[in-house]
Amino acid sequence: DTGVSQDPRHKITKRGQNVTFRCDPISEHNRLYWYRQTLGQGPEFLTYFQNEAQLEKSRLLSDRFSAERPKGSFSTLEIQRTEQGDSAMYLCASSLGVGVQETQYFGPGTRLLVL
Amino acid sequence: AQTVTQSQPEMSVQEAETVTLSCTYDTSESDYYLFWYKQPPSRQMILVIRQEAYKQQNATENRFSVNFQKAAKSFSLKISDSQLGDAAMYFCAYRSDPSMNNNAGNMLTFGGGTRLMVKP
Repeated sequence: DTGVSQDPRHKITKRGQNVTFRCDPISEHNRLYWYRQTLGQGPEFLTYFQNEAQLEKSRLLSDRFSAERPKGSFSTLEIQRTEQGDSAMYLCASSLGVGVQETQYFGPGTRLLVL
Repeated sequence: AQTVTQSQPEMSVQEAETVTLSCTYDTSESDYYLFWYKQPPSRQMILVIRQEAYKQQNATENRFSVNFQKAAKSFSLKISDSQLGDAAMYFCAYRSDPSMNNNAGNMLTFGGGTRLMVKP
């Protein structure tokens, strides 16, 4: 068990560019979550997958954001036409959804800076 | 919608002493779960302790314990014998009971966090 990994760890981009982040969950975890954390704040939920199905999306997830989880393994989060307000830490978490005893394990995050 | 409030942006404790971090939440649900997560500087978030709302007994994990007051919607974290490695951001989080809503709503709702500093 190597934990949740995210790539890249840091990304600097110019306004208007597209960026894509990757999350590799803990092996066999069927649930995967994306959160966004701005400086000095707690994480905010963006979207949630159970296997390959995207089951919930937050209102924070504008139409410039898209997430996928092909084959129910790794996930990607793409932001199109980035804006300075997108600067944040993007956290991925995974869990093994067994009954109600679910614990979400977080990755190290991808820190995005939009110039 | 549920909200979680941490009213202490920063707390400080002397090494080996005890500190309590506060958390209140607002919900109309009767069954739910509460968590405390720790986020060390530049490191990933890890679970410290969890509490099921249907359990009256307060959860304990080694030096960490909670004071869960369901009627008051309060969920504080007590850290005993504080260590330098306890210095971090601490987040209180709420999760609905997924069995009550067809397994939807598994996301965590976080408070704004409390920065804990430990003085040697």
